[in-house]
Amino acid sequence: DVKVTQSSRYLVKRTGEKVFLECVQDMDHENMFWYRQDPGLGLRLIYFSYDVKMKEKGDIPEGYSVSREKKERFSLILESASTNQTSMYLCASTEGRLSEAFFGQGTRLTVV
Amino acid sequence: GQQLNQSPQSMFIQEGEDVSMNCTSSSIFNTWLWYKQDPGEGPVLLIALYKAGELTSNGRLTAQFGITRKDSFLNISASIPSDVGIYFCAGQNYDMRFGAGTRLTVKP
Repeated sequence: DVKVTQSSRYLVKRTGEKVFLECVQDMDHENMFWYRQDPGLGLRLIYFSYDVKMKEKGDIPEGYSVSREKKERFSLILESASTNQTSMYLCASTEGRLSEAFFGQGTRLTVV
Repeated sequence: GQQLNQSPQSMFIQEGEDVSMNCTSSSIFNTWLWYKQDPGEGPVLLIALYKAGELTSNGRLTAQFGITRKDSFLNISASIPSDVGIYFCAGQNYDMRFGAGTRLTVKP
């Protein structure tokens, strides 16, 4: 079974902190994605990556950055956390360009 | 970014009823997918559609990829309590965009 693992299920951080959300997949997938999920808004794409060291902005990249130094790991970075970044963050991976996405269980981040 | 409009936003139905939800977009997608999310979990794929006009079934689920490649629908027949959850459509090119979700409640 494909496994996508997010490092934390729940996180509480203070405003202004630098926050790292880690995602690891074990199936050698090419593509990895970070979404945030908010009630009534569905999943909104923050960043995605189709190869090591490659990244593309999604619809809401402001306030976020990403890192993909190894194929299996895709990190989401909040440079200076703000309360409006309180949300559920979901990581996903796909083998190819048009293939099923496998999701992690999500990280519920609260910024206080 | 590419916008997917998913409707309805929520549905409250009796067990045994059929359910229909749909998704439209102003952009063309190469693949349409339907996911279900249970509380506290990430979304899980239900059906994937790869060709315009394609009609695909998976048990009680049926989905179609619109001929214009800008829309898709999902039907659930004879709903059961475990169908409760949030259903998302997703359009895929080299990235993947999601609709806002349909929250389904099934009353026994």
